[in-house]
Amino acid sequence: EVQLVESGGGLVQPGGSLRLSCAASGFTFSHYNMNWVRQAPGKGLEWLSYITTSSTTIYYADSVRGRFTISRDNAKNSLYLQMNSLSDDDTAVYYCATYDYAAYGGAFNIWGQGTMVTVSS
Amino acid sequence: DIVMTQSPDSLAVSLGETATINCKTSRSVLYNSNNKNYLAWYQQKPGQPPKLLIYWASTRESGVPDRFSGSGSGTDFTLTISSLQAEDVAVYYCQQCYSTPFTFGPGTKVDIK
Repeated sequence: EVQLVESGGGLVQPGGSLRLSCAASGFTFSHYNMNWVRQAPGKGLEWLSYITTSSTTIYYADSVRGRFTISRDNAKNSLYLQMNSLSDDDTAVYYCATYDYAAYGGAFNIWGQGTMVTVSS
Repeated sequence: DIVMTQSPDSLAVSLGETATINCKTSRSVLYNSNNKNYLAWYQQKPGQPPKLLIYWASTRESGVPDRFSGSGSGTDFTLTISSLQAEDVAVYYCQQCYSTPFTFGPGTKVDIK
């Protein structure tokens, strides 16, 4: 079964850090560019970051650039998001999603179930 | 950045009727070299992640019922749900995949009247 499973979410104090993981299975993870997307409670979807298969190209949204770092380990079939200097505005469900330019025109065709991050004192 | 707008914010449609959602991009997402529009539609039900419905503006993802259809080009796009079913109650998002940041529309909530 094709699957993405996020983990690492939880409650963190403002100014704190958290590292999210996304474990891939059922497909060849190393062949896919990947993204992180978040959704604040009751709000819409916000794209955060993108990484290519070999990590040579990385992009960030302005809202997280300089605070968040995306990375991947193809040997472990895993994607990561290191989040630093967290604030209340970062409270959200965080999703990882695949990016397939050739077959889907860059649409995000596989999504994880998400992991909740709550920033609160 | 490409700004995405959707209309309406919400709509209620009777079972079996048609729901129409519009999406506009602040600049064209048509890639001239292959004549493809880099625009996707997603469905999100409560407590679930988004699900890809349509890519390249009009190509239905495998397994998506044919009552869902996408149309449009350049900057103006439409998602049409024909013969609305109870299981179609959800929020629908458009997204441009043309350039980073890969912006999403604000969403349109579809309910049963």
